[in-house]
Amino acid sequence: QKEVEQNSGPLSVPEGAIASLNCTYSDRGSQSFFWYRQYSGKSPELIMSIYSNGDKEDGRFTAQLNKASQYVSLLIRDSQPSDSATYLCAVHQIIQGAQKLVFGQGTRLTINP
Amino acid sequence: DTEVTQTPKHLVMGMTNKKSLKCEQHMGHRAMYWYKQKAKKPPELMFVYSYEKLSINESVPSRFSPECPNSSLLNLHLHALQPEDSALYLCASSRSGGRVDEQFFGPGTRLTVL
Repeated sequence: QKEVEQNSGPLSVPEGAIASLNCTYSDRGSQSFFWYRQYSGKSPELIMSIYSNGDKEDGRFTAQLNKASQYVSLLIRDSQPSDSATYLCAVHQIIQGAQKLVFGQGTRLTINP
Repeated sequence: DTEVTQTPKHLVMGMTNKKSLKCEQHMGHRAMYWYKQKAKKPPELMFVYSYEKLSINESVPSRFSPECPNSSLLNLHLHALQPEDSALYLCASSRSGGRVDEQFFGPGTRLTVL
């Protein structure tokens, strides 16, 4: 099974600071990468998708992709207490001919007021 | 409409019961998914339907039986479940199941098996 790895945390960041979440993946052929936010007891919510090397910005969120290093990250600027959640990195992989999303274990983020 | 809906929100069932989970989307998506999620774990893929045909079964026990009556609906039939099957069951959909597809999740059904 191809793997996606994240630091499980918890990651604690003061309000207003930048939260940096990291993810590495093992399948060099992966082309599509996604970040989901999941609040406790709720379902995952897609917040960013990225397909090309470089940065992609959406409001306070920036996704960064480096395919050579097999690394994808999510930056959250001006962190708010409402950003406290588990963040799941998901990588699209083709495993035994089947296309599927492979999730990392998730990083639990806490923003401290 | 950009929502995936799931019913019921909560379900408690005994090991001898038969029940069904339902999922619906009206985004015109042609790929639909069932995931199982245990506490503090990521979603675990169970089944994928692409254009109403079952394309992936992740070696799920036969006590879970998926059904896709049409392109908007996905069911998961449950029979003779075990307590360890208690989990959050998530439905998701995406445009076509391709590599650039974004998957959107429904709110989930919290299942408890007694």
